Amino acid sequence: SYVLTQPPSVSVAPGQTARITCGGDNLGTRGIHWYQQKPGQAPVLVVYDDVARPSGIPERFSGSKSGNTATLTISRVDAGDEADYYCQVWYTSRDLLYVFGTGTQVTVL
Amino acid sequence: EVQLVQSGAEGKKPGESLTISCRASGYTFSNYWIGWVRQMPGKGLEWMGIVYPGDSDTKYSPSSQGHVTISADKSVNTAYLQWTSLRPSDTAVYYCARLNGDYSQYHDSWGQGTLVTVSS
Repeated sequence: SYVLTQPPSVSVAPGQTARITCGGDNLGTRGIHWYQQKPGQAPVLVVYDDVARPSGIPERFSGSKSGNTATLTISRVDAGDEADYYCQVWYTSRDLLYVFGTGTQVTVL
Repeated sequence: EVQLVQSGAEGKKPGESLTISCRASGYTFSNYWIGWVRQMPGKGLEWMGIVYPGDSDTKYSPSSQGHVTISADKSVNTAYLQWTSLRPSDTAVYYCARLNGDYSQYHDSWGQGTLVTVSS
């Protein structure tokens, strides 16, 4: 089965930059999407198609990809960014269409 | 504004049946796939399946196939997730989400989630 691997946790001081990675086979050929999930809330799309931001998402959130690794970067982190973050691809196999990453908990120190 | 509103929390016993719903508004319901995503307690997001309300086409993940039924009724702009025999391992929060995208598909709007608790 297809697996997207993320670090379990990332810690960052307020005002600094958080980088969350997502690795998987042939990631370079697939669109990567990122979601933020705060405790007790539904996920929210923060980046789609590798680098695009939905309306209402701050410019502080940006996506990039190099080879088989995608990265979500959160600049000028504040306490409101503390959440779990998940990457996702559209797998397009016969059996498994959507794969979510293992998730990364971002803690603001 | 796109909105997905899910039915309320449920407490059930093993072996019981259950249907939860997801009512859409703010867009043409028939034209977008709706997905269901499971989140077990303290765990990550897991894709279960999708339905296209326009023609009721469905696709399931291998782990969901045969255990749940996903459907949609475009006359009332509502998608459904159904179990005929619940297990304790079905205890989770279930989210519906609209799928969008051409280059790749992503979940651009989510329901608030429905907590399902299965316990004897």
